[in-house]
Amino acid sequence: DQQVKQNSPSLSVQEGRISILNCDYTNSMFDYFLWYKKYPAEGPTFLISISSIKDKNEDGRFTVFLNKSAKHLSLHIVPSQPGDSAVYFCAAKSVSGGGADGLTFGKGTHLIIQP
Amino acid sequence: DSGVTQTPKHLITATGQRVTLRCSPRSGDLSVYWYQQSLDQGLQFLIQYYNGEERAKGNILERFSAQQFPDLHSELNLSSLELGDSALYFCASSAKGGWNTEAFFGQGTRLTVV
Repeated sequence: DQQVKQNSPSLSVQEGRISILNCDYTNSMFDYFLWYKKYPAEGPTFLISISSIKDKNEDGRFTVFLNKSAKHLSLHIVPSQPGDSAVYFCAAKSVSGGGADGLTFGKGTHLIIQP
Repeated sequence: DSGVTQTPKHLITATGQRVTLRCSPRSGDLSVYWYQQSLDQGLQFLIQYYNGEERAKGNILERFSAQQFPDLHSELNLSSLELGDSALYFCASSAKGGWNTEAFFGQGTRLTVV
């Protein structure tokens, strides 16, 4: 049973436009969400996070939105740049639940920025 | 460079064998996590150690075990290897568990079981 779902395996966006990556989760205990970016032959790199007490967090070109009632979060990248081409993983954890501290990851979305 | 070092980068071994993967966390980080990334399963949390003690278990098989040493480096032991154990194994570290503590990942060890 996949608790974190990224339903788009790939996404192609033109350089300069907005990239929107989506993520859905099923576990109500999740209260902290993260996005990681991964290049081939490298480990995932942390991008941005959001706790469940917020609905938006912004860091430069990256903004994460959280809709708790819909159990949905999205990552917006504006403007998209060629170096943004990578696999993006959505991840979640339950901090207040006191359970396993490891992250539950989605399967990733491969973002391709077209020149 | 995340500051997390994993060795070896690549490992090829035969079914039934045992291997040890090593991880050195970022300086000062007390938590070490192990993840497995296989083609069809994405990144799966295996186990976490905090300051030498096991803190949380995820989808770790009984054939797998880990430990964290006094110098905080960690080893993941995989035994009775099967073809399906072929995957990328990532180690990550963080300062502590809990809120607002993102994990930093190493470059991974690619294990191929033949």
